[in-house]
Amino acid sequence: SQTIHQWPATLVQPVGSPLSLECTVEGTSNPNLYWYRQAAGRGLQLLFYSVGIGQISSEVPQNLSASRPQDRQFILSSKKLLLSDSGFYLCAWSVIQGYTEAFFGQGTRLTVV
Amino acid sequence: SQELEQSPQSLIVQEGKNLTINCTSSKTLYGLYWYKQKYGEGLIFLMMLQKGGEEKSHEKITAKLDEKKQQSSLHITASQPSHAGIYLCGDSHVGGGSEKLVFGKGTKLTVNP
Repeated sequence: SQTIHQWPATLVQPVGSPLSLECTVEGTSNPNLYWYRQAAGRGLQLLFYSVGIGQISSEVPQNLSASRPQDRQFILSSKKLLLSDSGFYLCAWSVIQGYTEAFFGQGTRLTVV
Repeated sequence: SQELEQSPQSLIVQEGKNLTINCTSSKTLYGLYWYKQKYGEGLIFLMMLQKGGEEKSHEKITAKLDEKKQQSSLHITASQPSHAGIYLCGDSHVGGGSEKLVFGKGTKLTVNP
């Protein structure tokens, strides 16, 4: 069966520090991968999605970047965090073809102080 | 870009009452997902609707898709405290050679015992 792992669960980082959030998927190959951010009053915002290794599409301009160094690994990064980067970050995967549901990780609560 | 508007934004009901949550798309709906989220957790897939007029049920939750109105509704019968959470509708559409998932801002449901 397929599983998705996302870590850490919570993170408190000072402004200006770097960020690295990792997401890995097991039990499937060549998935679509997604990073979302959920902030109060703004809903679930799609940040990045990827259809394959090294292929990253960005939805909104921001202080963040994403990378997919391996088929089932998706990393969200920042060189210097801003206060506005605080939020709940969710990773998700779906099969690459067809209209099927996405499966979500448990999320990372990031607080930038 | 497509927008999904959910209404109401929040809802407080007494246990045992029925309720409906609506999701309206700014573009043609070819299908729709419904997810539920407990605070601070990932999203749990509820159901997916793909055809106009389609209706699906899971326990006491029923969802319908009206593609002419570009709208979907989620109906909960005899609500229970376990139904409390944030309900999100989502749609996937082609972008950059893959399917990306976008979501509404969610409806926060509180069920008072």
